[in-house]
Amino acid sequence: RKEVEQDPGPFNVPEGATVAFNCTYSNSASQSFFWYRQDCRKEPKLLMSVYSSGNEDGRFTAQLNRASQYISLLIRDSKLSDSATYLCVVGERGSTLGRLYFGRGTQLTVWP
Amino acid sequence: SQTIHQWPATLVQPVGSPLSLECTVEGTSNPNLYWYRQAAGRGLQLLFYSVGIGQISSEVPQNLSASRPQDRQFILSSKKLLLSDSGFYLCAWMVTRVPYEQYFGPGTRLTVT
Repeated sequence: RKEVEQDPGPFNVPEGATVAFNCTYSNSASQSFFWYRQDCRKEPKLLMSVYSSGNEDGRFTAQLNRASQYISLLIRDSKLSDSATYLCVVGERGSTLGRLYFGRGTQLTVWP
Repeated sequence: SQTIHQWPATLVQPVGSPLSLECTVEGTSNPNLYWYRQAAGRGLQLLFYSVGIGQISSEVPQNLSASRPQDRQFILSSKKLLLSDSGFYLCAWMVTRVPYEQYFGPGTRLTVT
């Protein structure tokens, strides 16, 4: 059983569209949650952390449902520059180690 | 601010040759450091992590090894590369405060021929 599962996509949307990505995780003791963005042939970069109350950063909104072990990312008013692979990442309990589990990513292409 | 460096950026090596990839972190002390590999079309696989000098833990048994000779230096090595070692190797460090996110270096793209 995979620790973190994501719909691989690809998602192809026009500029200005709203798109949502979902992710589920298997370890109910998970303590930290993130979305990373990875451009083609580049390193993953932190997009945003996900908090229990949900959080927003500009056009990006992340939500966490601990009961359902489900994380989401909503992108509003998509831009061409949003085209990338979005990785759902979950951290285990125990900050000393900081073990993270990565989903395989959801590919997004925004077209003009 | 913190910066993480990796080199080389790309590498083409024949099967059976040795490997040494280096990662250094600036702007922080005693960081947790991580080596990941991302094979083509696959997710990130944690290979090794280190919580301090000389302290290495292995996640996946294989022909790779890691060392941490200095506080901010992390090295990934192999004595004899296999074709299956090809991939994108990423070094990361962890922020030591909630929510403990990790930041990645630019990576080394290794092709074993």
